[in-house]
Amino acid sequence: KAGVTQTPRYLIKTRGQQVTLSCSPISGHRSVSWYQQTPGQGLQFLFEYFSETQRNKGNFPGRFSGRQFSNSRSEMNVSTLELGDSALYLCASSKGGTATNEKLFFGSGTQLSVL
Amino acid sequence: ILNVEQSPQSLHVQEGDSTNFTCSFPSSNFYALHWYRWETAKSPEALFVMTLNGDEKKKGRISATLNTKEGYSYLYIKGSQPEDSATYLCAFLAQAGTALIFGKGTTLSVSS
Repeated sequence: KAGVTQTPRYLIKTRGQQVTLSCSPISGHRSVSWYQQTPGQGLQFLFEYFSETQRNKGNFPGRFSGRQFSNSRSEMNVSTLELGDSALYLCASSKGGTATNEKLFFGSGTQLSVL
Repeated sequence: ILNVEQSPQSLHVQEGDSTNFTCSFPSSNFYALHWYRWETAKSPEALFVMTLNGDEKKKGRISATLNTKEGYSYLYIKGSQPEDSATYLCAFLAQAGTALIFGKGTTLSVSS
């Protein structure tokens, strides 16, 4: 059974650019959550999508957006990149998401560097 | 803003030592508490999902307890091995359908 796949693994962008990250969940999983990890910080919740609908959103500016497709794949977009957006972005999937008591399955992450 | 605290931030033990970490969370609302292990260069991997006050879970040499009334969970590792070296994350869910909030983690280093 394939795990959670995130692409790309590494990304280098410059300030002001925009970036799109992709996450393919485990087959059958309808919930995808996104997290940002920066040095010294825990996993900061960005948003959760379930069946193409945003279920929850974390405390991030509107430059951070996402969507989910009918096949449950999800994309996260960051516009007008800032230096502080440099981070590891992780996605996680589960069948029912936080509406249930299921564990999350994480991808390997996308390491974004903003220069 | 919900606050999940983990302590200690890091610790270093010798092979064979037993150790434990703490995760503190708000006790007002509780739905679930997750524990994950995150090894370097790998993805976080679930250890336990705990839902009931007094819950005790065990997986090999690792076990966890939960006290929802006072808002804490302990993770125990018996006879630490070098392969236990990782960051251990707890995550709190106050209500079903809300966001899973992670602590900053406890980084364990085990020397042989």
